[in-house]
Amino acid sequence: NFMLTQPHSVSESPGKTVTISCTRSSGSIASNYVQWYQQRPGSAPTTMIYEDNQRPSGVPDRFSGSIDSSSNSASLTISGLKTEDEADYYCQSYESTYWVFGGGTKLTVL
Amino acid sequence: EVQLVESGGGLVKPGGSLRLSCAASGFTFSNAWLSWVRQAPGKGLEWVGRIKSKTDGGTTDYAAPVKGRFTMSRDDSKSTLYLQMSSLKTEDTAVYYCTTGGVAAGYWGQGTLVTVSS
Repeated sequence: NFMLTQPHSVSESPGKTVTISCTRSSGSIASNYVQWYQQRPGSAPTTMIYEDNQRPSGVPDRFSGSIDSSSNSASLTISGLKTEDEADYYCQSYESTYWVFGGGTKLTVL
Repeated sequence: EVQLVESGGGLVKPGGSLRLSCAASGFTFSNAWLSWVRQAPGKGLEWVGRIKSKTDGGTTDYAAPVKGRFTMSRDDSKSTLYLQMSSLKTEDTAVYYCTTGGVAAGYWGQGTLVTVSS
C-alpha cells in the first residue's frame, strides 16, 4: 500500500495564501484522484476538493487543488485566509480496493 | 439536502459486538456506493470499508485492521447502511462516520462514538 505524507502543521496570517502538500510514497499521484477534507474542531469532516481540483457547490473559490507529477504530490491552496479556515486538512486517494488518508495538517490562522 | 445520520455507538467490552446504522436521505440511496471512516481520539482519519450498490454487485471491501471482524450491509428499502462490528478491540475506539462514495467521500454524517473498554 502507498502512503500520503502531509506536513504536521502550517500557519499563516489572515489575508495571506497557504499551500498544504500531500506526497505519495509509491505509484503515481496522477493514477487516482486526490481529495481534500476540512475538519474543524469538534465537527465532522467536510469535502473541500474532489477529483484533484473540483470544488463541491458551496466551497469558496479561495480553495483550490492541484497535482504535480514531478514531485508526485498534490496541493491544497487557500488564498485570502480567514480565521474560520483554521482547521485540520486531510488529503485522500485510493487504489482499486482501499482508500488512503494523509496524516492531516493543522492549519493555524494567526 | 443530503443527510446521513449515524446511530448505535456506545460503550462495549473487548471481544464484544456492536451494530452501527446510518440513515440516509436526500439522494437515491440504492444507486450509491457508501463507506465508513473512523477517527480515534486525537488521531487522523482511517478508512474502514465500502459497499457498492446492488446494481454494481453489492460487494464490500475492508481495511486490513477490520477485515474478518467487521461486516457492512445495506437495506435499500430503508435507505440505511449498517456496520456490524465483532471481536472488538480497544484500538477500535473511535468516532465512526458514514460517507457517500466508494473511492472518495462526498457527504459525511456527524459520526457516532464507539468506546471499547473493560
